[in-house]
Amino acid sequence: QVQLQESGPGLVKPSQTLSLTCTVSGGSISRGGYHWSWIRQHPGKGLEWIGYIYYTGDTYYNPSLKSRASISVDTSNNQFSLRLTSVTAADTALYYCARDKGVWGGLDVWGQGATVTVSS
Amino acid sequence: SYVLTQPPSVSVAPGKTATITCGGNKNAIKSVHWYQQKTGQAPVLVVYDDADRPSGIPERFSGSKSGNTATLTISGVEAGDEADYYCQVWDSTSDYVFGPGTKVAVL
Repeated sequence: QVQLQESGPGLVKPSQTLSLTCTVSGGSISRGGYHWSWIRQHPGKGLEWIGYIYYTGDTYYNPSLKSRASISVDTSNNQFSLRLTSVTAADTALYYCARDKGVWGGLDVWGQGATVTVSS
Repeated sequence: SYVLTQPPSVSVAPGKTATITCGGNKNAIKSVHWYQQKTGQAPVLVVYDDADRPSGIPERFSGSKSGNTATLTISGVEAGDEADYYCQVWDSTSDYVFGPGTKVAVL
């Protein structure tokens, strides 16, 4: 059974770069057939899709975050990562990674989430 | 951009039926997915592609769609169904879009 686990600093200073990694276990990212997504949830709010990556490295981003977000994949370690530059307090959120079955399949496996606080 | 609307809350008595709608601001809402998020937990996919259920999801959860409105129906509601429910679609201009969520309260 595929499982996902987010990891990374829980505290980031304003203007710096947020970096998170999602480690996939129980299945290979390189298998294909899935995208690998990042989603965030501001405190007490709804879900916001950030972007996804395919194992080939193809990426797609939420237009509102496209200028600051970057997702990469490390197939050798079965991981994919998120970088979000120039963060502000508005980027304080719970960040989830998820396996993405595409337009018709939905996000079928989620990590438990990683809380990131932007504060000096 | 593509915008989804959901009722903020739905209250239902145990054993009854809860109905949650998801409306799109463009014609013919595309393939809709529904997620359940209990307090302090990650979301769980309960319906995908309008009306399909992932394995392990009870038959009490069903989805339908008509025009630009999708509906999640929870039949025989149980106390454990109390959660936030989000719809999600893909749009060519916005990519993945989530609805604002509906809080289901079991009376």
